[in-house]
Amino acid sequence: GDSVTQMEGPVTLSEEACLTINCTYTATGYPSLFWYVQYPGEGLQLLLKATKADDKGSNKGFEATYRKETTSFHLEKGSVQVSDSAVYFCALLTGYSTLTFGKGTMLLVSP
Amino acid sequence: DTGVSQDPRHKITKRGQNVTFRCDPISEHNRLYWYRQTLGQGPEFLTYFQNEAQLEKSRLLSDRFSAERPKGSFSTLEIQRTEQGDSAMYLCATTPSGSNTGELFFGEGSRLTVL
Repeated sequence: GDSVTQMEGPVTLSEEACLTINCTYTATGYPSLFWYVQYPGEGLQLLLKATKADDKGSNKGFEATYRKETTSFHLEKGSVQVSDSAVYFCALLTGYSTLTFGKGTMLLVSP
Repeated sequence: DTGVSQDPRHKITKRGQNVTFRCDPISEHNRLYWYRQTLGQGPEFLTYFQNEAQLEKSRLLSDRFSAERPKGSFSTLEIQRTEQGDSAMYLCATTPSGSNTGELFFGEGSRLTVL
């Protein structure tokens, strides 16, 4: 079945550091890929998505590129802020299925 | 606030009791999903509705769980004879009709603790 594997957290960074959160997937067919973010005390919200190979999703300074050859969708940001502290979930969607989420990666950014 | 609303936010109950959670969707969002999230895990799909029709149920949804959306607006998720393993965050999410883009709008969740 479909599955998503994310790097374990927490990831602890200082403000303005570079961020990479790894995500790899296993899926039948050609999935759409997503990053969701959950800020403290809030519901999950969509951060970015990519629907086909080599697409790059971007939002709020975050980027992720759909790499079919490595079945990956790593989340990157060049300079993190304290306000980026949250839990990040990688997810995939195939056909008429429902979203399959990874376990989440907590990011802690200190001033 | 016009987001997805869930009630109650927290529920503590004793094993064997029944509990019910309610979800009020964003208006005009006809698809409604229930997910469960346990500590350290990502959300796991339970069931979804298109208007009042329940179109898919996960094998995670045992016969103690029942979900309804009688008028195609709000939805309820009932758990009968709760067990300690039911302790989790129950998430509701909605999306516009006909859309399976994966772009879900989540509520803040209802946290269940079974003692």
